[in-house]
Amino acid sequence: AQSVTQLGSHVSVSEGALVLLRCNYSSSVPPYLFWYVQYPNQGLQLLLKYTSAATLVKGINGFEAEFKKSETSFHLTKPSAHMSDAAEYFCAVSKRGGTSYGKLTFGQGTILTVHP
Amino acid sequence: KAGVTQTPRYLIKTRGQQVTLSCSPISGHRSVSWYQQTPGQGLQFLFEYFSETQRNKGNFPGRFSGRQFSNSRSEMNVSTLELGDSALYLCASSPQGQGADTQYFGPGTRLTVL
Repeated sequence: AQSVTQLGSHVSVSEGALVLLRCNYSSSVPPYLFWYVQYPNQGLQLLLKYTSAATLVKGINGFEAEFKKSETSFHLTKPSAHMSDAAEYFCAVSKRGGTSYGKLTFGQGTILTVHP
Repeated sequence: KAGVTQTPRYLIKTRGQQVTLSCSPISGHRSVSWYQQTPGQGLQFLFEYFSETQRNKGNFPGRFSGRQFSNSRSEMNVSTLELGDSALYLCASSPQGQGADTQYFGPGTRLTVL
């Protein structure tokens, strides 16, 4: 079975500092990988996804993530944090092939706090 | 295109009652997935529907059920509500429900069971 681990349930950074949110997956075959963001009282919004080809994926709002098969990781980064980045971030995976239709498996989430 | 819409946004029920939640997907999307979000268990997959058929199901009791209509709109039903069913219920739509498809989420329905 696939699983996703997000290291650190809370991350706090200063405005302008680097944002690094960690995600590791467990799967015999590299899955499809996603990062979503959730603002209070809202649904989830896709930041970026990795499906194949380029291992460095650029997303919206200046975020990017790098797929590293050897480390089974897909960490999310942003060079300079903005106050508006404060939210909860979820890493998710879906299975390649097979019959896992419409199923995303999520990590437990990381709450990002940005200090002025 | 309009996004995924969910109704109602908020619900308060008492134990033992049943509830029906509705989800309208993005136009042209044929796959609808449902998730339960709680502080303790996080985001958990309930089930997925495509062309009015349930193709995938998570580990939830039979009290949780759903259906999809010919226009791809979907409903989920929870019978005999328990306190632990209090959660944010999210639906997401995608074109085909394939692994690489992006799932687009609605704002959710906040269910409180008293």
